[in-house]
Amino acid sequence: AQTVTQSQPEMSVQEAETVTLSCTYDTSENNYYLFWYKQPPSRQMILVIRQEAYKQQNATENRFSVNFQKAAKSFSLKISDSQLGDTAMYFCAFRFGRGSQGNLIFGKGTKLSVKP
Amino acid sequence: GAVVSQHPSWVICKSGTSVKIECRSLDFQATTMFWYRQFPKQSLMLMATSNEGSKATYEQGVEKDKFLINHASLTLSTLTVTSAHPEDSSFYICSARPGQGAPETQYFGPGTRLLVL
Repeated sequence: AQTVTQSQPEMSVQEAETVTLSCTYDTSENNYYLFWYKQPPSRQMILVIRQEAYKQQNATENRFSVNFQKAAKSFSLKISDSQLGDTAMYFCAFRFGRGSQGNLIFGKGTKLSVKP
Repeated sequence: GAVVSQHPSWVICKSGTSVKIECRSLDFQATTMFWYRQFPKQSLMLMATSNEGSKATYEQGVEKDKFLINHASLTLSTLTVTSAHPEDSSFYICSARPGQGAPETQYFGPGTRLLVL
């Protein structure tokens, strides 16, 4: 069975600094997708970044980047130049399968607080 | 980006009544839609998956007769909580996956807060 583990229930960072959220997963699949979603206090789930497992290059989206280590089954999220609006729950998610197949499996989340 | 709407955003109802929640993909066609439930300070729990025009697939432990799901078109799915009871109070979130473009990505609605008195 596929599992996603986020070992940091809560983290805090000073505004403008960099923070890294960790995520590990367990799967026997070779082709899959990994995601980081953000859930701010409004509770709207927002896609932050995604990574295809077949791509060796780490995905980046502006201040957000990932460190994808396929062999280690690790998928950490780095937030640079943290902003107050980054305060949210961050969920790591995994999905295998193609097209309409496969469901998202979520980790338990990491609550990130950005302090002024 | 892909937008998913949900209506209503919050609802309060009396015990024993039924509540319908709508989920719409506004700028894409969703071949697959998902319904999640989220308890306070917890992760999302998948309730069911539906494909347009076919019956929903429910996760283990989710009552099919309690949570009726209809995926009538490529842009609309509804969740009906039948004979709601206080223990059904929760935050319900729908999600949709495009049939084209980025089919591996799910986009989420803003959620519906349900309070059953």
